Amino acid sequence: GAGVSQSPSNKVTEKGKDVELRCDPISGHTALYWYRQSLGQGLEFLIYFQGNSAPDKSGLPSDRFSAERTGGSVSTLTIQRTQQEDSAVYLCASSLNGQGYGYTFGSGTRLTVV
Amino acid sequence: QKEVEQDPGPLSVPEGAIVSLNCTYSNSAFQYFMWYRQYSRKGPELLMYTYSSGNKEDGRFTAQVDKSSKYISLFIRDSQPSDSATYLCAMSATYANTGKLIFGQGTTLQVKP
Repeated sequence: GAGVSQSPSNKVTEKGKDVELRCDPISGHTALYWYRQSLGQGLEFLIYFQGNSAPDKSGLPSDRFSAERTGGSVSTLTIQRTQQEDSAVYLCASSLNGQGYGYTFGSGTRLTVV
Repeated sequence: QKEVEQDPGPLSVPEGAIVSLNCTYSNSAFQYFMWYRQYSRKGPELLMYTYSSGNKEDGRFTAQVDKSSKYISLFIRDSQPSDSATYLCAMSATYANTGKLIFGQGTTLQVKP
C-alpha cells in the first residue's frame, strides 16, 4: 500500500485479556519496527524485524509481549494478560533496508486497558 | 538518566515568531540525527535528517548538530499555525544495521494566529 497501515486504530480491553495489534508495512520495505508511546512520553523502542527475523527484541518490556512477522510483510504484536500500564499508543514503522532515517510510521493503535 | 533529553514544553508562540527546539544526548556514538513532527492522533513524520555535525536548511526549517556539546537544535522561521504539533528529536548510532532510533520526549508547540 501507499503507507503503513495499523489496525485496529483504537482498542479497549479488560485487564487480563490478550490483545493482538496488526501492522501492514509499505510494500518492499524489509525492516519493520514497533514502538510504544505513553502519554507525554517519547517513543520507546520495542522490537525490530529484518524480513521475518527479529535481530533486536531488546525493548520488549516483559515476556507478556511477543511479535511475529510473516512473509516479510504483515506483523502482529501480541500482549498477553494485559495490565493497565500497557495502555499506550503502539506505533509501527517500516523502512527500506533498515535505514533509520527512512522510517514511515503508521498512525498507531491506541490501547486502553480498563 | 535518559540517553536523549528534550524539554516537553508546551511552547506557545505568536505567528511569525522564530522557534528554537533543542535536545541533548549522552551517547557519543550517535551519528545520525533526525527531527520528526507529530500531529495529534497521527504517526510521526520525518522533517529533517542530518549526519554528524553541521547545519542543514530546508525552507523555513534549519537543523543544527553540535557533537562536541552533544546538542542538537531545530529552528523554525516565520512560524505558522500549521506548525502546531509535537516535535520529536531522534538519534541513531548505526547505519544499515538495525536502524533503531532513540527518541526524545517530544516538545509540544502551539503557534497562535
